[in-house]
Amino acid sequence: EVQLVQSGAEVKKPGESLKVSCKASGYTFSRHWITWVRQKPGEGLEWMGRIDPRDSYSNYSSSFQGHVTLSVDKSITTAYLQWSSLKTSDTAFYFCARHMKEVAPDDAFDIWGQGTMVIVSS
Amino acid sequence: DIVLTQSPGTLSLSPGERATLSCRTSQSVVSNYLAWYQQKAGQAPRLLIYGASKRASGIPDRFSGSGSGTDFTLTISKLESEDFAVYYCYHYGHSPRLAFGPGTKVDFK
Repeated sequence: EVQLVQSGAEVKKPGESLKVSCKASGYTFSRHWITWVRQKPGEGLEWMGRIDPRDSYSNYSSSFQGHVTLSVDKSITTAYLQWSSLKTSDTAFYFCARHMKEVAPDDAFDIWGQGTMVIVSS
Repeated sequence: DIVLTQSPGTLSLSPGERATLSCRTSQSVVSNYLAWYQQKAGQAPRLLIYGASKRASGIPDRFSGSGSGTDFTLTISKLESEDFAVYYCYHYGHSPRLAFGPGTKVDFK
């Protein structure tokens, strides 16, 4: 079964660092880009950025550039979303999603992780 | 950047009725790279339509997508109880400036 399983909910303080994981299984991890999406409570979906697991090449939305970093570890078929210094405004659900076609940066997302809730509060 | 607008914001209907959701983009979408997602409360989004009109795997044929250029439509021919949810359009043809629409909520009348 093709699936993405994300790490569990996190509660952090402003200024702390965090790394959220997205474990892929059931397909060839390196052949499908991964995108990350943010959803603040009660709000819509925001595209954050995407990464090519073959070489870790990534693009970011201008809204998130410089504030988050995407990475992968091909040896354990896992993608990561990380912050070096969280803000209270980062409180949200975060989803990883697989690009449907192989080696396709511009694509729809057919498989989604279950989401990771991140709460940032002093 | 390309901006997506969805209408209406909320659609109040009864089971068995037809739902018509609109998505407009501020620039023409390249190669009809427009997708629709369904999201229920507490769940991850689910891909319904890609390439403006192609149903994703396992999606019932009561869901259909149409349109081109800047105007796109998602139609649910006969609403079933499990279809009451929020629907988002998403364009992926202006890499890397990718974006979701604000969503249309389909709720019970």
